[in-house]
Amino acid sequence: AQSVTQLDSQVPVFEEAPVELRCNYSSSVSVYLFWYVQYPNQGLQLLLKYLSGSTLVKGINGFEAEFNKSQTSFHLRKPSVHISDTAEYFCAVISGGYQKVTFGTGTKLQVIP
Amino acid sequence: DVKVTQSSRYLVKRTGEKVFLECVQDMDHENMFWYRQDPGLGLRLIYFSYDVKMKEKGDIPEGYSVSREKKERFSLILESASTNQTSMYLCASRLKGPYEQYFGPGTRLTVT
Repeated sequence: AQSVTQLDSQVPVFEEAPVELRCNYSSSVSVYLFWYVQYPNQGLQLLLKYLSGSTLVKGINGFEAEFNKSQTSFHLRKPSVHISDTAEYFCAVISGGYQKVTFGTGTKLQVIP
Repeated sequence: DVKVTQSSRYLVKRTGEKVFLECVQDMDHENMFWYRQDPGLGLRLIYFSYDVKMKEKGDIPEGYSVSREKKERFSLILESASTNQTSMYLCASRLKGPYEQYFGPGTRLTVT
């Protein structure tokens, strides 16, 4: 069975500081990994995805993530955050038969002016 | 532009009522999903449909049923609403395969 762990439920960070949001997964087969962002009172939208190829993936709004197979991690990073990045971020994994998507419990990023 | 729409943004229902939540996508996607989102629990899958008239239970199907008679429409039904079904409900769709999902704006359901 696959699972996703986002250990940090909330991450406060000052504006223009770097941030890392952690995501670890467990799966015994090949995985496909995603980060989604949810702004207040909205649905989720895709930030970036890893399907295959380069382990460093760049997404929208200056975010990037690195797939680390040995660490079973897919941490999200941004070198300098902006107030508008305040949102909740979800890591998700698909494995095996492609049908089931498993989401982490989310990390709320609070950017402090 | 890709679009997933949900019939209501906010809904208030009484205990015991039958509730219908509708989701429509305009992208010709095979797969459609219903999730509920609760603080601290993330997104939990209720049901998904991998094609028309096909459905599969997710992690928390109890108290819910679904219907998919047309490719673009996926309905979630609460047969007899209860207060513990007060939640945010999110619909999503995607192409068949390991691809990203596209989400609707959500329906915040309150059962009193």
